[in-house]
Amino acid sequence: AQRVTQPEKLLSVFKGAPVELKCNYSYSGSPELFWYVQYSRQRLQLLLRHISRESIKGFTADLNKGETSFHLKKPFAQEEDSAMYYCALRVGYGGATNKLIFGTGTLLAVQP
Amino acid sequence: EAQVTQNPRYLITVTGKKLTVTCSQNMNHEYMSWYRQDPGLGLRQIYYSMNVEVTDKGDVPEGYKVSRKEKRNFPLILESPSPNQTSLYFCASSSLPGQRYSPLHFGNGTRLTVT
Repeated sequence: AQRVTQPEKLLSVFKGAPVELKCNYSYSGSPELFWYVQYSRQRLQLLLRHISRESIKGFTADLNKGETSFHLKKPFAQEEDSAMYYCALRVGYGGATNKLIFGTGTLLAVQP
Repeated sequence: EAQVTQNPRYLITVTGKKLTVTCSQNMNHEYMSWYRQDPGLGLRQIYYSMNVEVTDKGDVPEGYKVSRKEKRNFPLILESPSPNQTSLYFCASSSLPGQRYSPLHFGNGTRLTVT
C-alpha cells in the first residue's frame, strides 16, 4: 500500500532549538519524496525534494530507504518557521501522472 | 503573476443544492488536480486531469464531478452536496515534463460548509 505517515500532529519547540519533523512512507517502487509547507493564511508550497538534496531556509531532509523515512530537520528553529508541514510521496512516474500522496501534516509551533 | 486561482474562498450551502468551485491557472499547465483537506486525514486527491478532455478519479471521487474543456480551467462540481463534503478544497496544477518532477502549484483553498 502507498502511504505517508507523519506521527506528530503538533510539534512545539523554542526558538533556537533543533527541529525534526518525522515522515515515514510505504511504497513498493523507488520513492520520490517531498516536503510541502503551508504558512498561516498562505497556500501550500514546495519546500524541498529529496532528489535535489538541497537545503531550503535551513531545512534539510535525507531519504533513508532502509528505515523508509524522510525526516525534515533544522538545527536552529526560527519563529517564522511556524507552519503546517506536509510530507508527500509521488506515485506514477514517466509523465503518466503527477499524483502526490500526502501525510496528515505536522503543525510546527516555534515559541519565542 | 503565475498563480492558481480558486473561487469562492468561502461557501456555505445546504444539502442538495448544486454548486461549482472554479479553478483557473495561468501557467499553461497540462496537469490539474483537486484535493480535499480534512483534520487528521491530510490532503486526499479527488480528481485529476492530464490535459483537456482527459480526467480521472483520485482517491475520493464519490459525490464530485469535474470537467476540463479548456486547459486553464478545472471546475469542481458537487451535484448534490452532503454534510460529509464539508471540507477545505485545494486546486493544484503543474506541467508534465516527462520524468522530471514538476512542483504542484496550489490555489488558496475554498472552505465549503454544507448544512
